[in-house]
Amino acid sequence: AQTVTQSQPEMSVQEAETVTLSCTYDTSENNYYLFWYKQPPSRQMILVIRQEAYKQQNATENRFSVNFQKAAKSFSLKISDSQLGDTAMYFCAFMKHKGGSNYKLTFGKGTLLTVNP
Amino acid sequence: DAEITQSPRHKITETGRQVTLACHQTWNHNNMFWYRQDLGHGLRLIHYSYGVQDTNKGEVSDGYSVSRSNTEDLPLTLESAASSQTSVYFCASSKDAGALGEQFFGPGTRLTVL
Repeated sequence: AQTVTQSQPEMSVQEAETVTLSCTYDTSENNYYLFWYKQPPSRQMILVIRQEAYKQQNATENRFSVNFQKAAKSFSLKISDSQLGDTAMYFCAFMKHKGGSNYKLTFGKGTLLTVNP
Repeated sequence: DAEITQSPRHKITETGRQVTLACHQTWNHNNMFWYRQDLGHGLRLIHYSYGVQDTNKGEVSDGYSVSRSNTEDLPLTLESAASSQTSVYFCASSKDAGALGEQFFGPGTRLTVL
């Protein structure tokens, strides 16, 4: 079974600064996907960024980027130029490669990020 | 626009009652999932379905059941509600292929069992 660990229950950052959220995972799979989801106070789950394990290049989406270290089983999220609207709970999630109908997500426990003005 | 909806958004019930939470998606996705979210636990998978008439247990399935009679709906039933089932429940769906596995989530249902 896969496990996902987010070691930082809470973090805070000043507006316009950069923050990095940590995520490690444990799996024996070679092909898989990793995700970061954001959950603002509205409770809606929003996909922030995804990474395919077979791709060495780190994924980026505007101010969001990841540092994917496959050998270390590490998948951190960097948020640049933090904005007040980035205040949310962030979840790291793992999914096996889509072959064999493996579409289940395994989530970490989340990191509550607060962006201060 | 295609979407995924959950109803009710809030529900208060009593211990021992049967409760059904609805989930409806209009994307024609084959895969549907139910999660519960509790403080300190993140989201945990309750049940999931990969198509009509297919249902599977997740990691916290005790006390819950689902049925899939069509593509659009996956209702979650609590057979005899317990206080330990007080939680926020999320439904999600995804395509079989493409979209690289992204799951789309409903707005959640907050269930309180007294």
